[in-house]
Amino acid sequence: AQRVTQPEKLLSVFKGAPVELKCNYSYSGSPELFWYVQYSRQRLQLLLRHISRESIKGFTADLNKGETSFHLKKPFAQEEDSAMYYCALTDQGAQKLVFGQGTRLTINP
Amino acid sequence: DAGVIQSPRHEVTEMGQEVTLRCKPISGHNSLFWYRQTMMRGLELLIYFNNNVPIDDSGMPEDRFSAKMPNASFSTLKIQPSEPRDSAVYFCASSRLAGTNEQFFGPGTRLTVL
Repeated sequence: AQRVTQPEKLLSVFKGAPVELKCNYSYSGSPELFWYVQYSRQRLQLLLRHISRESIKGFTADLNKGETSFHLKKPFAQEEDSAMYYCALTDQGAQKLVFGQGTRLTINP
Repeated sequence: DAGVIQSPRHEVTEMGQEVTLRCKPISGHNSLFWYRQTMMRGLELLIYFNNNVPIDDSGMPEDRFSAKMPNASFSTLKIQPSEPRDSAVYFCASSRLAGTNEQFFGPGTRLTVL
């Protein structure tokens, strides 16, 4: 069965410090991994996807199939990064998303 | 484009009452998803439709829940009878069936069942 684990419910870092939000998954097929973000009073929205291999708002995430991980990283956190972050998985080309429990990131000034 | 529209934004009802949540997907999107978000279980997919046809309803918790999509621009999620454990935020999302499978979420409906 597909499963996504985000071990940290809460993460707090200081502005300018590096950020890493952890995501591990279990799936035997060919997964597509995503990070979705929900800023305060805004809708849940796609942040990035592993197949795009791009950096969005300074964030990157690399799919590590050996470790079954898709951690989200940013070298220097900004206050506007404070939000709820969800890691999600689907089979390649499929539609059904399985979400992790989410991590609430707080950036302290 | 206003994005995915959900109504009502907040609903407070008493146990045993029928609750109907509504969703209007983004025009041109032909896939629609209903999710439930709780503290305990996070964000769970309840059901999704392609071209108005239900494809996977394995996430629907029990027979008290039903969902319909009578046309491409409207879907409902109904709970009858409602129970306190149904209290959650219910999200609707839509996407294009072809191309990228990015889902666009609505603002959610916060349901409280007393």
